[in-house]
Amino acid sequence: SQQGEEDPQALSIQEGENATMNCSYKTSINNLQWYRQNSGRGLVHLILIRSNEREKHSGRLRVTLDTSKKSSSLLITASRAADTASYFCATDATSGSRLTFGEGTQLTVNP
Amino acid sequence: KAGVTQTPRYLIKTRGQQVTLSCSPISGHRSVSWYQQTPGQGLQFLFEYFSETQRNKGNFPGRFSGRQFSNSRSEMNVSTLELGDSALYLCASSTGNLGGYTFGSGTRLTVV
Repeated sequence: SQQGEEDPQALSIQEGENATMNCSYKTSINNLQWYRQNSGRGLVHLILIRSNEREKHSGRLRVTLDTSKKSSSLLITASRAADTASYFCATDATSGSRLTFGEGTQLTVNP
Repeated sequence: KAGVTQTPRYLIKTRGQQVTLSCSPISGHRSVSWYQQTPGQGLQFLFEYFSETQRNKGNFPGRFSGRQFSNSRSEMNVSTLELGDSALYLCASSTGNLGGYTFGSGTRLTVV
């Protein structure tokens, strides 16, 4: 079963705009990870944030984590058409050794 | 370094048959996990192997099984295939120490 929900399910923006995706989860976690999936292909690891961290940056990506609300957000700044993909959050729970994925956000960046 | 290699990329099988999928992890990674992705259920965890031992198992019937070899390569087997087993099967490798995972490109299984 899915750990939680992602919001929105779909997002369509213009190139250069920022995209924000949200993720909620249900159980205690060791870390939360974000992945990108281009149509029907494998998942690409984007960024990992540990449960004791509140914010993390990697290039144009900014991730926040609020463990009290069991939620995370992924911000992609200055989006490009190549960012068009599905984005998934995944939690690595305190029990370890497995990821539990959200339902994903389909991002479309229009040129 | 080489990524995670899954073979085959595509597979078509008939109901009732069995199938074996293969995954070669990144060199030095001892953990291999398998996931099933379908439009209806999303990404679901199947099982994880670490140093040839199944360390964790998802909520799938016994028709789904796996194993890991001493070189960390892993196989998963699905017996008595059902139409609902049609999915993208993804393998992920990691060091096993609560870090990020590297996924393969997946095997797209179609059961007819």
